Amino acid sequence: KAGVTQTPRYLIKTRGQQVTLSCSPISGHRSVSWYQQTPGQGLQFLFEYFSETQRNKGNFPGRFSGRQFSNSRSEMNVSTLELGDSALYLCASSRHDAGGYGYGYTFGSGTRLTVV
Amino acid sequence: GESVGLHLPTLSVQEGDNSIINCAYSNSASDYFIWYKQESGKGPQFIIDIRSNMDKRQGQRVTVLLNKTVKHLSLQIAATQPGDSAVYFCAEGSRGFQKLVFGTGTRLLVSP
Repeated sequence: KAGVTQTPRYLIKTRGQQVTLSCSPISGHRSVSWYQQTPGQGLQFLFEYFSETQRNKGNFPGRFSGRQFSNSRSEMNVSTLELGDSALYLCASSRHDAGGYGYGYTFGSGTRLTVV
Repeated sequence: GESVGLHLPTLSVQEGDNSIINCAYSNSASDYFIWYKQESGKGPQFIIDIRSNMDKRQGQRVTVLLNKTVKHLSLQIAATQPGDSAVYFCAEGSRGFQKLVFGTGTRLLVSP
């Protein structure tokens, strides 16, 4: 069973540019969430999507956005990149029980974004 | 704000010892907890989870204990091996909020 796949693995961008990261969840998982990991702030929640709808959003500026497609694949976009956006961006997919309760969050290997 | 914290940033043990990694969480509404292991250059790897209706759950060489009274979570690793060396994170979630809040992490160093 394939895990969570994130592409690309590494990315170098210049300040002011924009970037799009991709995440393919585990087959059958309908929820995809995104996290940013930095040495200073640790793992921080960006947003979560379920059936193409954003259900929750973290405390990040509007430059960070995302979407989910009908096949559950998700993308996140960061516009007008800043040096501080350099981080490991992680995607997690999860199953849900009959009550809509997410569990078994499985992470991908992440995309390492460096802004220069 | 909400937070999940760890008591020890680094834990050094000898191979074969049992390791205990602790975590304090602050949101009493959290009802789902997960432990992750993260090795350098990799994403967090799911170890074990526990729901708030349980106080103990066991996996292969790992046990998670949950004490809701004092809002404390621990991960016990039996017969620790060099391959267990990594950073361990606890994370909490709740049914109403589809997100996980992560602790700061504990680095486990296992010496042969």
